[in-house]
Amino acid sequence: SQQGEEDPQALSIQEGENATMNCSYKTSINNLQWYRQNSGRGLVHLILIRSNEREKHSGRLRVTLDTSKKSSSLLITASRAADTASYFCATDDGSGNTGKLIFGQGTTLQVKP
Amino acid sequence: DTGVSQDPRHKITKRGQNVTFRCDPISEHNRLYWYRQTLGQGPEFLTYFQNEAQLEKSRLLSDRFSAERPKGSFSTLEIQRTEQGDSAMYLCASHETGKGEAFFGQGTRLTVV
Repeated sequence: SQQGEEDPQALSIQEGENATMNCSYKTSINNLQWYRQNSGRGLVHLILIRSNEREKHSGRLRVTLDTSKKSSSLLITASRAADTASYFCATDDGSGNTGKLIFGQGTTLQVKP
Repeated sequence: DTGVSQDPRHKITKRGQNVTFRCDPISEHNRLYWYRQTLGQGPEFLTYFQNEAQLEKSRLLSDRFSAERPKGSFSTLEIQRTEQGDSAMYLCASHETGKGEAFFGQGTRLTVV
């Protein structure tokens, strides 16, 4: 079953603008991850944030986590046409044992050159 | 290429036929996962292995589905008597126990006609 919702479902911006995607989840977690998927391809890991962290950066990516609201956001700064893809958040199942991922429905990002 | 590889990339089959997919994980990863992804949705967990042991199966995995990882290396996913509802992308992922990040293959896209 899907973990929660991602918002927006689709986002279209101009190159150079920032893109923000939000994710909500339902259960207690140990960590939350963001993945990227180009059309028809596999998923690529972007960043992992642990439940005791509030913010994490990696290059042009900034992830926040609010465990009290069970929500996370992914910010991509200075977007490029090559950032066009679907972005998924994924949580662990809370057990810390299985490594199983529970995905949201994704946000489709289009960056126009 | 030392990533996760899946074969075939695409499979078109007639309803009622059996199909088998293969996944070769990253060699030092002891955990292997199968996910299913339908159009516009995030991946959904099907099953996972630790070495050769199948530790968990989702309720999504009906009796027509079977997965094996006989020597703790590659894995196969077989679907018997395929139905149109089985049409989806089947994704394989591997990771090392204790590490959150999963590495995904490019997926096998199944179309049942």
